[in-house]
Parts: sequence; structure tokens; C-alpha cells
Amino acid sequence: DTGVSQNPRHKITKRGQNVTFRCDPISEHNRLYWYRQTLGQGPEFLTYFQNEAQLEKSRLLSDRFSAERPKGSFSTLEIQRTEQGDSAMYLCASSLDAWGSLNLNTEAFFGQGTRLTVV
Amino acid sequence: RKEVEQDPGPFNVPEGATVAFNCTYSNSASQSFFWYRQDCRKEPKLLMSVYSSGNEDGRFTAQLNRASQYISLLIRDSKLSDSATYLCVVTLPDNAGNMLTFGGGTRLMVKP
Repeated sequence: DTGVSQNPRHKITKRGQNVTFRCDPISEHNRLYWYRQTLGQGPEFLTYFQNEAQLEKSRLLSDRFSAERPKGSFSTLEIQRTEQGDSAMYLCASSLDAWGSLNLNTEAFFGQGTRLTVV
Repeated sequence: RKEVEQDPGPFNVPEGATVAFNCTYSNSASQSFFWYRQDCRKEPKLLMSVYSSGNEDGRFTAQLNRASQYISLLIRDSKLSDSATYLCVVTLPDNAGNMLTFGGGTRLMVKP
């Protein structure tokens, strides 16, 4: 399978615990996005990477959230001290973009997501 | 105001009907535009890009109006399998290039 892979697919955790999700993008893709989606809403941007550099982080993202992409390949998203409001589907996407280019056909491919339930 | 806005629907249409969705975006510097489709409990998938001159892919037609800052998607001869949520996506300029921003989605239900 050469698509975007996310692990785990499901995670149930108790409030206050830390959780970490992993995303493996399509191998040649240099851009990697994290989104959060709740029922009935569109994906909400969290952060993204160009290679290993984290370029943008949503202002809605609290300090409890951190993401890394240490070697420019896979990425991890950690949520510390989880709250019930963190329950959502966490989606990862990757695309092939040149730095600063007007790439008019930038298709992002999504993984199947990690569904987090905080109890 | 949200950067990308869509009517959440649902749009309930019979098979064979023609249905149209609109999407508005707030940033006039937006550069690229897409429609994604998301089935229930699945990940979003690209349906089609939206070009300035408008483009068609089978039963689907997408149009862009930069002056009014809206994008449309027209589906002709609706099929049951078209039932899904349609997400409008805009790339917003940021320091490094273009960042994908999603609308809230429009839900379509096609009924026999």
C-alpha cells in the first residue's frame, strides 16, 4: 500500500492522559498536514510541514498539542493532558509541493485518520 | 467570518436530478481551488480541481468566479452513489506557499 498511513486507527484514552499518533505520508511527498475533524464539520487545520520544517500552526492549537517530523518522512502528533473536547478524528494528508511555488494542482492525499475518544 | 463557507445542507434530491453547490471564500489572494468528496466515516478524496475557465469531468462541472469569490459544483443526472459530503477547498497564501483550507462541507443525499 503506497497511500498515507495513520496509526492507530482508533484510540480510547482517559482524560488527562497523553496520546501520540503517527502518520506515514506517501514517500516522495514533501508536504504533510494534520487536520482535526468532528462530526458534521469540515477538516480543521492544525499544522503542516514542508520536509522537516513546521511552517504553520493553527492559532486554535493549544500548547498541549505538538507535532514533529524529524527526518522529513513520518510525523507524530502528541496531545498532552487530553480533554474530552479533544475527541475527534485526526487526519493526516500529504502532497508534493515545491517551496513557494504556485502549484495549481496540489492534490493532497489523506490517510484514513485516527479516531480519538477521550473518556 | 470563516475563510471558506458552504451551506451545510443536507440537499435531498431524487435520482437523475441536477444539483448545485456554492462555496465562498474570504481571501482574495487565494490561489487554487478544489472540490473534495467525503463519504461517511471515510477520508476526504479529491473530486476535481477548479480552473479559472471552468472545467467539466463527466457529470460534474466546476466553476470559479474570482470577482465574487465563489466556487460552484454542478452535478447532473445524480446517482445514488453521489450521496456524500462535498468539501470546498481553497489554498491560502502563507509564508511558505499555499495552505489548504476546507469549508465545512455540503451534504448531499440522493434518493431513489
